[in-house]
Amino acid sequence: AQSVTQLGSHVSVSEGALVLLRCNYSSSVPPYLFWYVQYPNQGLQLLLKYTTGATLVKGINGFEAEFKKSETSFHLTKPSAHMSDAAEYFCAVRNQAGTALIFGKGTTLSVSS
Amino acid sequence: EAGVAQSPRYKIIEKRQSVAFWCNPISGHATLYWYQQILGQGPKLLIQFQNNGVVDDSQLPKDRFSAERLKGVDSTLKIQPAKLEDSAVYLCASSMHRDLTTGELFFGEGSRLTVL
Repeated sequence: AQSVTQLGSHVSVSEGALVLLRCNYSSSVPPYLFWYVQYPNQGLQLLLKYTTGATLVKGINGFEAEFKKSETSFHLTKPSAHMSDAAEYFCAVRNQAGTALIFGKGTTLSVSS
Repeated sequence: EAGVAQSPRYKIIEKRQSVAFWCNPISGHATLYWYQQILGQGPKLLIQFQNNGVVDDSQLPKDRFSAERLKGVDSTLKIQPAKLEDSAVYLCASSMHRDLTTGELFFGEGSRLTVL
């Protein structure tokens, strides 16, 4: 069965610091992995996705993620945090049928000045 | 391009009452999803439509929840009777294609339900 586990429900960083949000997955088929961001009172917005090919995926707003099969991980990073990055981030894996997404519990990112 | 529209944005009801949520997907998107997001948890799929047919409703509590997409466009999610544990944000999403190999989900802003 497909599932994702996000390590750390809350991450706090200073403005300009490295952002690292952790996601591990379980999948019985080659995984398709996604990161979504949710700003307060808004819907989820796609940051980036991994399907096949290059394991380092670049997304919007300077975020990137690396697919590591040996570690079953898909961690999200950004070299330098900005105040506007404060939001909730969700990692997701495509279900076995390939038609829907299964989400993790989310990680809230706080950025302080 | 207009996004996924949902209404109402907020709803407060007493337990055992009924409530309905409406969703209008992005034009041309054949696949429509309803997700439930309880506070502190990730979104959980309730039901998925392909045009006006149900693809997956395995996690929909059918004794109290129902959903329809009669003309393959708009969709309505109903809860009757509501329980306290139904308090959540109900997210509607749409996708152009059923297969997410190349597609992605586009989400609405959600409908926040509080059951007292």
